[in-house]
Amino acid sequence: GAVVSQHPSWVICKSGTSVKIECRSLDFQATTMFWYRQFPKQSLMLMATSNEGSKATYEQGVEKDKFLINHASLTLSTLTVTSAHPEDSSFYICSARWVAGEKLFFGSGTQLSVL
Amino acid sequence: AQKITQTQPGMFVQEKEAVTLDCTYDTSDQSYGLFWYKQPSSGEMIFLIYQGSYDEQNATEGRYSLNFQKARKSANLVISASQLGDSAMYFCAMRVPNNAGNMLTFGGGTRLMVKP
Repeated sequence: GAVVSQHPSWVICKSGTSVKIECRSLDFQATTMFWYRQFPKQSLMLMATSNEGSKATYEQGVEKDKFLINHASLTLSTLTVTSAHPEDSSFYICSARWVAGEKLFFGSGTQLSVL
Repeated sequence: AQKITQTQPGMFVQEKEAVTLDCTYDTSDQSYGLFWYKQPSSGEMIFLIYQGSYDEQNATEGRYSLNFQKARKSANLVISASQLGDSAMYFCAMRVPNNAGNMLTFGGGTRLMVKP
């Protein structure tokens, strides 16, 4: 099946620093990628939709200046948490859509801990 | 707006028995897709099964089957012969075509615990 690689799987950073999370589709072209955030024992919350070559569409309540999303190619999207604070600590997960498919494939997620 | 409801926050099932995880949805769209994902403690999301709104037969994938009742707007997941490795969070999700392209709306999830 299709593979989506997300890196890093786990990161600890100091408050005020920036963290970049990568999401790669390894064996298919993904024109659209999605970024989610999940708090412990809660459902996934869609943060933004990333289309290759265009600006990301953010969900209501998500700060676009804090969560920078770049989708520069058909196989790579990045989420940068800028000036991270402890309240940004969470599990972030991406998913990617085949160009002509129905299924979404998910990365393995990134656990971010901000000290 | 689309909405997915999973009314069972947690469930126990005995190993080797079957279990049904409930999912109801609400949408005014005629064309939509329904998904079930499994999330083990590692956090990754594993695709289990898909049902299209126009599919006449219930989807099946190995031990997983989807009990699709369109008139009742329900899409329950049935896991047969439960295994200890089935213990995980299970999410029901719905996709409605929109400009964003296949955005998913997730339910709140059901935590399944399989007892030996």
